[in-house]
Amino acid sequence: DIVMTQTPLSSPVTLGQPASISCRSSQSLVHTDGNTYLSWLQQRPGQPPRLLIYQISNRFSGVPDRFSGTGAGTDFTLKISRVEAEDVGVYYCLQATQFPLSFGGGTKVEIK
Amino acid sequence: EVQLVESGGGLVQPGGSLRLSCAASGFTFSDYGMNWVRQAPGKGLEWVSFIGISSSPISYVDSVKGRFTISRDDANNSLYLQMNSVRAEDTAVYYCARESVASDFWGPGTLVTVSS
Repeated sequence: DIVMTQTPLSSPVTLGQPASISCRSSQSLVHTDGNTYLSWLQQRPGQPPRLLIYQISNRFSGVPDRFSGTGAGTDFTLKISRVEAEDVGVYYCLQATQFPLSFGGGTKVEIK
Repeated sequence: EVQLVESGGGLVQPGGSLRLSCAASGFTFSDYGMNWVRQAPGKGLEWVSFIGISSSPISYVDSVKGRFTISRDDANNSLYLQMNSVRAEDTAVYYCARESVASDFWGPGTLVTVSS
């Protein structure tokens, strides 16, 4: 099974400043079809998860361009260029390259 | 507008059974795979099960294999999770999520509490 490790656990950020979250997988997430099924989700307090980024770097419909995803193989990063108050919540990476699907442990983004 | 709404959660005794439902609307349900994902109180997300188009493939996390069964009814745009022999550690909010380029749409969830 693929283990997803996220760092940091918590990220206190000043409004308007950038934030970065790392996600590492225990094995390569490159699928046999050539795609890498690594996505990022945001979960605001009291809400269900919301898809932000899919296949490493593609922003989902309606997601602000301050969110970006990079990476390859086993190392991936979600960046928020300028944190806004509505970005508070927990962020998860998710691999869907191989069953069982697996999530990272989550990173809590909060305002300083 | 894509909508997913879970139902069927509640209080169940250890060893009991429960059937969760997910009603889908706003898209052609039969064209998509579907996931169940759960979140224990105060914890992170855990994938539970996937069912593909025409019910193939089907996959489960090890901790629910042999106890939970995922199914779908394309005629009624519905996804199900039959939960048998439930345990205290199955207590969680259960979400259904559509699988497209990723798990792109999620329902609000239904709470399952396993307790005597």
